[in-house]
Amino acid sequence: EAGVAQSPRYKIIEKRQSVAFWCNPISGHATLYWYQQILGQGPKLLIQFQNNGVVDDSQLPKDRFSAERLKGVDSTLKIQPAKLEDSAVYLCASSFDTYEQYFGPGTRLTVT
Amino acid sequence: GQQLNQSPQSMFIQEGEDVSMNCTSSSIFNTWLWYKQDPGEGPVLLIALYKAGELTSNGRLTAQFGITRKDSFLNISASIPSDVGIYFCAGPASGTYKYIFGTGTRLKVLA
Repeated sequence: EAGVAQSPRYKIIEKRQSVAFWCNPISGHATLYWYQQILGQGPKLLIQFQNNGVVDDSQLPKDRFSAERLKGVDSTLKIQPAKLEDSAVYLCASSFDTYEQYFGPGTRLTVT
Repeated sequence: GQQLNQSPQSMFIQEGEDVSMNCTSSSIFNTWLWYKQDPGEGPVLLIALYKAGELTSNGRLTAQFGITRKDSFLNISASIPSDVGIYFCAGPASGTYKYIFGTGTRLKVLA
């Protein structure tokens, strides 16, 4: 069974630029999560999708971050415009019908 | 907001030693999960706990769901070099769907 796929693995941008991350969950997993992990901290949930609907986005900075999961499968997370404090690893995870989440390798974003 | 505090924050141990770490919350949890994260990778699920008092093993790892439902414990027996990494507890607090991760315990093994 293929795991959660994410791309790109690394991205370096300048502040005020835009960036997008892509995630393809494990086949059949209805729930998809995006996390932000700042160096030295645990992952922080940004947004949770159930199929193509949003379950929770209370910690998503909506003035600059957006996410979509149009067909209930893969998902895109966008930052526009980026700030220095957005430098972090962005993790995508998926789950079937429990709280047992399976994570992708993450995208390491550096904003200069 | 809700927080999961993990203790110890980091630890050095000798290969072959047993390791204990814990996770505490100010809120009740109905599910506790333990993950391990290696450098440059996403967290990997180790053990899931669904009932207060539950004790579950996965190889050399054993985790327990505290009876107060506000804490959980992870033990690693006979540690080996590949146990190096950061261990996180996580779960949704009771009454919410929001998944929270703990502060992490960084394990370093001295060969």
